Amino acid sequence: AQSVTQPDIHITVSEGASLELRCNYSYGATPYLFWYVQSPGQGLQLLLKYFSGDTLVQGIKGFEAEFKRSQSSFNLRKPSVHWSDAAEYFCAVALSYSGAGSYQLTFGKGTKLSVIP
Amino acid sequence: DAGVTQSPTHLIKTRGQHVTLRCSPISGHKSVSWYQQVLGQGPQFIFQYYEKEERGRGNFPDRFSARQFPNYSSELNVNALLLGDSALYLCASGRGEVLAYVPTDTQYFGPGTRLTVL
Repeated sequence: AQSVTQPDIHITVSEGASLELRCNYSYGATPYLFWYVQSPGQGLQLLLKYFSGDTLVQGIKGFEAEFKRSQSSFNLRKPSVHWSDAAEYFCAVALSYSGAGSYQLTFGKGTKLSVIP
Repeated sequence: DAGVTQSPTHLIKTRGQHVTLRCSPISGHKSVSWYQQVLGQGPQFIFQYYEKEERGRGNFPDRFSARQFPNYSSELNVNALLLGDSALYLCASGRGEVLAYVPTDTQYFGPGTRLTVL
């Protein structure tokens, strides 16, 4: 069965510092990978996704992620964190369907990001 | 365009009761998925509907059921509520595009319904 592991429950960084959030997946076939962000009391917003092609994916809000098949990882990065980036971040993998419809997401447990001014 | 809407925002029920949660997808989207997010955990897949047919079901008991209407809105029903059903219930909508077996679709999430079972 597919699974997603986010090793860090809580990370604190200073504003302006760089950020890397870790994500490891377990999935036998080609993984389709996502990063979502959730602010308190809000739903999930898609930051970026990887389906195929270039392993370095650019997303919204200055985030990027790199897919490394050999390490089964899809880490999220940002060169300079802003106070507004404080939120919870979820990595997810999609199980695709052979027919029309969509896919179901399997999420990690999330990493809470705190930003020190 | 309006995003995914869910109602109600908050709900308090007692054990053994029944609850119905509603979701309206983004206009033009035909796929609706439901997820349960328990406090401190990531969302867990419950159901997916596409063109009013069930396309996927997660590992949830039969107390959970759902349906999709001709206008693509959806309801999630939970019977015989347990304390453990307390969670944020998220709805996600998408166009339902699958290109050469690659899910090119993007799922957009609503703000969720916070269910508290006492």
